[in-house]
Amino acid sequence: QKEVEQNSGPLSVPEGAIASLNCTYSDRGSQSFFWYRQYSGKSPELIMSIYSNGDKEDGRFTAQLNKASQYVSLLIRDSQPSDSATYLCAVSGSGTYKYIFGTGTRLKVLA
Amino acid sequence: ETGVTQSPTHLIKTRGQQVTLRCSSQSGHNTVSWYQQALGQGPQFIFQYYREEENGRGNFPPRFSGLQFPNYSSELNVNALELDDSALYLCASSSGTVSGANVLTFGAGSRLTVL
Repeated sequence: QKEVEQNSGPLSVPEGAIASLNCTYSDRGSQSFFWYRQYSGKSPELIMSIYSNGDKEDGRFTAQLNKASQYVSLLIRDSQPSDSATYLCAVSGSGTYKYIFGTGTRLKVLA
Repeated sequence: ETGVTQSPTHLIKTRGQQVTLRCSSQSGHNTVSWYQQALGQGPQFIFQYYREEENGRGNFPPRFSGLQFPNYSSELNVNALELDDSALYLCASSSGTVSGANVLTFGAGSRLTVL
């Protein structure tokens, strides 16, 4: 079992729709959770971080964390073509120094 | 405030050669981590440096080594290059401590091609 799993996609949604990206992780001791966006040929950039169960909203983005189910998701409302990218889920444990990344989900927003 | 800068941006090497990649951390950040990202994969943790000492290492062989300097900049050295070392090498800085996990800020990366 991979430590952080994501559906590789591509996930295609029409412009203006809600895109839902999912991630599961295997280490129950994980404490910090991150979503990064990576455009083709570029480096990852932080979209959201979440540390406690529940929802966290920032503009069009909402991160959801359920530690009991070892599940973290990212919702993108009013999706735009510029949101087309690979979204990486990253997980870090308490007192650890490394992030474990999933392979990423490729999102395509169709105009 | 300057971000994380990496050099070179692209380079081509042949098998068996050695390469040094460089990274300047973001202002105010004292911790540098290096990740390898192969095509179509997520970044894989190589190692992290804090206060000039290696503070954790991923599943990479000893031919991957690094340094951190007093100004918090860092180098990644790879000896005896193999074809599978072809990847995007990402440097990330953070303001973390030895025990804390903090938000990583990535540089633009160095794309290494090994022929």
